[in-house]
Formats: sequence, C-alpha cells, structure tokens
Amino acid sequence: QVQLVQSGAEARKPGASVKVSCKVSGNILTLMSIHWVRQAPGKGLEWMGGIDPEDGEPIYPQNFQGRVSMTEDTSTDTAYLEVSSLTSDDTAVYYCAPNLSPIRGLYWFDPWGQGTLVTVSS
Amino acid sequence: DIQLTQSPSFLSASVGDTVTITCRASQDISSYLAWYQQKPGKAPKLLIHAASTLQSGVPSRFSGSGSGTEFTLTISSLQPEDFASYFCQQVNGRLTFGGGTKVEI
Repeated sequence: QVQLVQSGAEARKPGASVKVSCKVSGNILTLMSIHWVRQAPGKGLEWMGGIDPEDGEPIYPQNFQGRVSMTEDTSTDTAYLEVSSLTSDDTAVYYCAPNLSPIRGLYWFDPWGQGTLVTVSS
Repeated sequence: DIQLTQSPSFLSASVGDTVTITCRASQDISSYLAWYQQKPGKAPKLLIHAASTLQSGVPSRFSGSGSGTEFTLTISSLQPEDFASYFCQQVNGRLTFGGGTKVEI
C-alpha cells in the first residue's frame, strides 16, 4: 500500500513563498504522476496541477500558472510544491495525491497525503 | 471551466437509511466523474471513478450512477462511519470539484 507523507505546517507572511514536500513510500515515485489539491478552511477542494506522466512536465490550471512550481526528486522519492507571492487567500491545507487513472488526460486520486496546513498572515 | 453543483449541501440521516447525493455538471462530461469521502481533519478518500466504478476496498453499499450532466452517489444502509463529507470531481482536463455534501446524524 503506497503511502504519501507530507511536511509539517508552515506559517508565512504575505508576499513570501512556501515549499511543501510529499514523500512517497516504496521507491515508486517514477511510476506515479503526483498532483496537488488544496482546501481552504471550511471550504471545498481546488486542483492546483500535477505532473504529466507522458513527458514529466507539470500541468497547471491557468489561475495558478506563474505562481506555483511542482518538482520531483526521484533520488529521495519526494515531490515538491512551491507557491510564491502568498496572500491570505492561500491559507489552506495542501494535499498531494497520485493519479490512478490509466487513461491519459483523466485524473482521479488515491491515496492522499495527510495534508500540510499553510497559514498566511501578517 | 466546468462547474459542479452538489445537492443537498447538508443532509441529516440515521444509521440504516439510504441516502442519495446529486452532482450536476454545467456541461456534458460523459462518465468522467469521481466521488470522494472526507472525514473531519482527514484527507479525501476515493470511493468511485468513471461515475459508477467502485474503487477497490470500498464497501458495496456505496454506488454511483449517471452520465452527461447528472450524477448520483447512493449510500445504502448508512453506517456510523459513513457520516462525513462527500465531494464529486470531474476528471477530464481542467479538474474541478463540487462544493461538497455533509452527511450528519
């Protein structure tokens, strides 16, 4: 059973950046396409993007382009999400999860990391 | 972007009840829909993908149906561990989630 373990809670001031890690158990990161989803307090889920398994390049929805960066370190089986120019609207729990779909262009996720709370406040 | 509207937002039920949650898409998404369960303070868990395919290990009291723009998640014989929030997700292209349904005792 694959497990994803994320880094701990972070606090940042507006305008700063944050980098969240997601370690995948079992030396199988290269077999996965990791995606990131966030959830503001008491709110719903918002997809932030993920890695296209065909070319290993990240895909981001337009509202996050230019402000998020997704990378992977296969030597440590760890995926990273970096978000820059933080505002209070970025206060949320950030989750990583692998795409389970065998069909290119379709995405559903399981299991998920335990989540990382990022708080942005002056 | 494709909007997903879930109803109801809150649902009160009892153990043993059968409950149905609806997810409506703003345009035809074929069968490109997944359902998740989320308990307080925990990460979401995949229940169903491709609108009606039960994820491995998920109890058979959960079922999904629908295509096009209207989808349902049905939980038969509600168990104490089923009291949680449920989200739908359209799985094609620019991914979006429904606003969620909280199932309360």
